[in-house]
Amino acid sequence: QKEVEQDPGPLSVPEGAIVSLNCTYSNSAFQYFMWYRQYSRKGPELLMYTYSSGNKEDGRFTAQVDKSSKYISLFIRDSQPSDSATYLCAMRAFNAGGTSYGKLTFGQGTILTVHP
Amino acid sequence: GAVVSQHPSRVICKSGTSVKIECRSLDFQATTMFWYRQFPKQSLMLMATSNEGSKATYEQGVEKDKFLINHASLTLSTLTVTSAHPEDSSFYICSARHHRGISGANVLTFGAGSRLTVL
Repeated sequence: QKEVEQDPGPLSVPEGAIVSLNCTYSNSAFQYFMWYRQYSRKGPELLMYTYSSGNKEDGRFTAQVDKSSKYISLFIRDSQPSDSATYLCAMRAFNAGGTSYGKLTFGQGTILTVHP
Repeated sequence: GAVVSQHPSRVICKSGTSVKIECRSLDFQATTMFWYRQFPKQSLMLMATSNEGSKATYEQGVEKDKFLINHASLTLSTLTVTSAHPEDSSFYICSARHHRGISGANVLTFGAGSRLTVL
């Protein structure tokens, strides 16, 4: 079983739709949760970062974490064609050492297409 | 915002040659950088942690003699794929940690990636 499970999709929605992206994880040591957006042939770009259960909102994006269920979500409101990309969830355990920050465990990524 | 520049973006080489990929933090100092590998439609896999002024730390299963990492300054790390073979063809991405905003979060900023094709 993978530590992080993410449905690869692909997911296709019409412009203006609400998009829901999800990841589940098995390692209870994970404390920090991130969502990255990756356009084709580009590096990942950080969208959301959270370290506690609950919701965090940033513009059209809302990140939700439920540690009791080991489940995280990213919601995109009023989706736009420019949101078409691969969305990767990522997470890591807490470690005071600086070198731990790169030890992110990524989901497989969900390919999202928003069509006009 | 923090920017990580990676070069070259694409490289095609013959089997048996060596290829160097550079990763630079443009507006911040990075004592630690990270190198990832990504296969098509798959997730990112951490290869190694690059530490300024010391040896890199490799993940299990990554050949340190094939993937040479040098972190000579606080803003530059290089990955050299030595004696490249077709199975080394992949998308290589570097990242660097920086401190972001008043929340105190330390986050990773990624380079744009380098696509290596070995013929």
